Amino acid sequence: SQKIEQNSEALNIQEGKTATLTCNYTNYSPAYLQWYRQDPGRGPVFLLLIRENEKEKRKERLKVTFDTTLKQSLFHITASQPADSATYLCALAGASGYALNFGKGTSLLVTP
Amino acid sequence: GAVVSQHPSRVICKSGTSVKIECRSLDFQATTMFWYRQFPKQSLMLMATSNEGSKATYEQGVEKDKFLINHASLTLSTLTVTSAHPEDSSFYICSAGERGGSDTQYFGPGTRLTVL
Repeated sequence: SQKIEQNSEALNIQEGKTATLTCNYTNYSPAYLQWYRQDPGRGPVFLLLIRENEKEKRKERLKVTFDTTLKQSLFHITASQPADSATYLCALAGASGYALNFGKGTSLLVTP
Repeated sequence: GAVVSQHPSRVICKSGTSVKIECRSLDFQATTMFWYRQFPKQSLMLMATSNEGSKATYEQGVEKDKFLINHASLTLSTLTVTSAHPEDSSFYICSAGERGGSDTQYFGPGTRLTVL
């Protein structure tokens, strides 16, 4: 069956450091992968989309890599700030090609 | 940017009653909208795909007669939880993709349903 795995343990880092979150998947051949941010009691907010033919994508302090051989995506936040504290979700398009299947998310806490 | 709204943001109802949740794309047209459910500390789970002017497609294990979906226009989809029970208490979130746009989905702020 299709699985999307993210670090289940919360990630605690110090302000200014780079946070790296991992998303691994099995039994998928996704055309693209997306990362979202979710704050408690709120809907997910889109951050980045990376396609299967792209290895890396950047947006301001965010960087996403996509390795279809390893079936893994890494999500980096450089110069992290306490405001970056949230849960980060990895999502892949499902069998329909458009609906998203989400990982459970990784909670990030950035301390001053 | 693309904005999706949901109403209500919170609802508390008695067991056996029905609850309607609205999802609107405010500044774009959405041919397809999606409904998700999220239990505490769990992932978002896709419930159904809602296509404008046609019947919704439900995921396996989701009762279509219990979760009624109507997508009457390109900017509005509704989810009605019929005969709600306490186990239906959850966070319901909709998303929409822009018609003719990229593969990005935009999510609503979610609706917290509590069934007593």
